[in-house]
Amino acid sequence: EVQLVESGGGLVKPGGSLTLSCAASGFSLNIYSMNWVRQAPGKGLEWVSSIGSGVTFIHYADSVKGRFTLSRDDAKNSVFLQMNSLRAEDTAIYYCAVQTYDYWGQGTLVTVSS
Amino acid sequence: EVVLTQSPLFLPVTLGQPASISCRSSQSLVHTDGNTYLNWFHQRPGQSPRRLIYKVSNRDSGVPDRISGSGSGTEFTLKISRVEAEDVGVYYCMQGTHWPPLTFGGGTKVEIK
Repeated sequence: EVQLVESGGGLVKPGGSLTLSCAASGFSLNIYSMNWVRQAPGKGLEWVSSIGSGVTFIHYADSVKGRFTLSRDDAKNSVFLQMNSLRAEDTAIYYCAVQTYDYWGQGTLVTVSS
Repeated sequence: EVVLTQSPLFLPVTLGQPASISCRSSQSLVHTDGNTYLNWFHQRPGQSPRRLIYKVSNRDSGVPDRISGSGSGTEFTLKISRVEAEDVGVYYCMQGTHWPPLTFGGGTKVEIK
């Protein structure tokens, strides 16, 4: 069974950092691009970042460019979202999703507050 | 950036009756490869989004055939022929033709009257 499990969310102060992980099971991540999408409380979906298989590309939304870094470790079947200089507006549930968004994780909540 | 505009924002429906959601794009979603990368998602309260439809009209596995997608260019529609209780939640369209950035519509909330 295909499964994606996000972890690493939590409460962090403005200006702080967090690293989110997305661990895949039931399939090998290495041939797929992976994506992060976030959802602020009570709001819609916002694409955050994507990484290609073999790191052929990495793209970021303008709202996180220069602050977030997406990476992957195919040996660990995982992707990682390093989030620095966090702001209140980064507060959201962060979901990882496989290439064409047919599989999503359950999400991990990031709260940025003093 | 491609802007997707969904309507209505809120859709009260009667069980057993049809429902329709519109998604309009600020530019044509036909890719240079000939495909149109317009997907539909359904999100129930407290759950992750689930993809229902990909490339305009292709139903994902397990999606009932009373749910269908159609459209072309800049105008797309998700239709539910007979609404059931499990259909409540928020529906989003998403385009992957012109990215980055990949963009979502603002969402349509479906509730039972």
